[in-house]
Amino acid sequence: GDSVTQMEGPVTLSEEAFLTINCTYTATGYPSLFWYVQYPGEGLQLLLKATKADDKGSNKGFEATYRKETTSFHLEKGSVQVSDSAVYFCALSGPGANSKLTFGKGITLSVRP
Amino acid sequence: EAEVAQSPRYKITEKSQAVAFWCDPISGHATLYWYRQILGQGPELLVQFQDESVVDDSQLPKDRFSAERLKGVDSTLKIQPAELGDSAMYLCASSSTRQLTYEQYFGPGTRLTVT
Repeated sequence: GDSVTQMEGPVTLSEEAFLTINCTYTATGYPSLFWYVQYPGEGLQLLLKATKADDKGSNKGFEATYRKETTSFHLEKGSVQVSDSAVYFCALSGPGANSKLTFGKGITLSVRP
Repeated sequence: EAEVAQSPRYKITEKSQAVAFWCDPISGHATLYWYRQILGQGPELLVQFQDESVVDDSQLPKDRFSAERLKGVDSTLKIQPAELGDSAMYLCASSSTRQLTYEQYFGPGTRLTVT
């Protein structure tokens, strides 16, 4: 079945550091790929998405590119802020709208001033 | 901005008791999902509704869990009897069949603690 693998955490960075969070997936067909973020005490929020190979999703300075050849969707940000401290989840959904999401385990990011 | 509503936000119950969670999706969203998020893990789908019909309940422990969406709007998830291993965050999400973005919108969740 479908699965998502995220790098092990937690990750601690200093403010303005470069961030990379690795995500790889296994899926049949052509899934859509997502990054969700969960701030302390809040629900999941969609951070960015890509629905086909070579698409780049971007939002709030974060970027991720759908790489079908390496089955990856790594999250990057050039300069993190303290306010980026949260749990980040990589996820995929099957082809077609309204398919269920399959999530990775999530990784906790802490950014220190 | 429209949001998915869930209640209660927190629930503490004793083992073997019954517990219920409520979700009100974004108005007009025909698809509703219940996910369970165990501490330190990603959410996993329990049940998916399209209007009032169940589309996927393959991961729902049907001996103790039940879910309904009688009028195709709000939904209730019930556990009876609760077990210690049910302690988790229960997340509700909704999406529109008219959208092209495949986005699911999540509520704040109900954190269940079974003692």
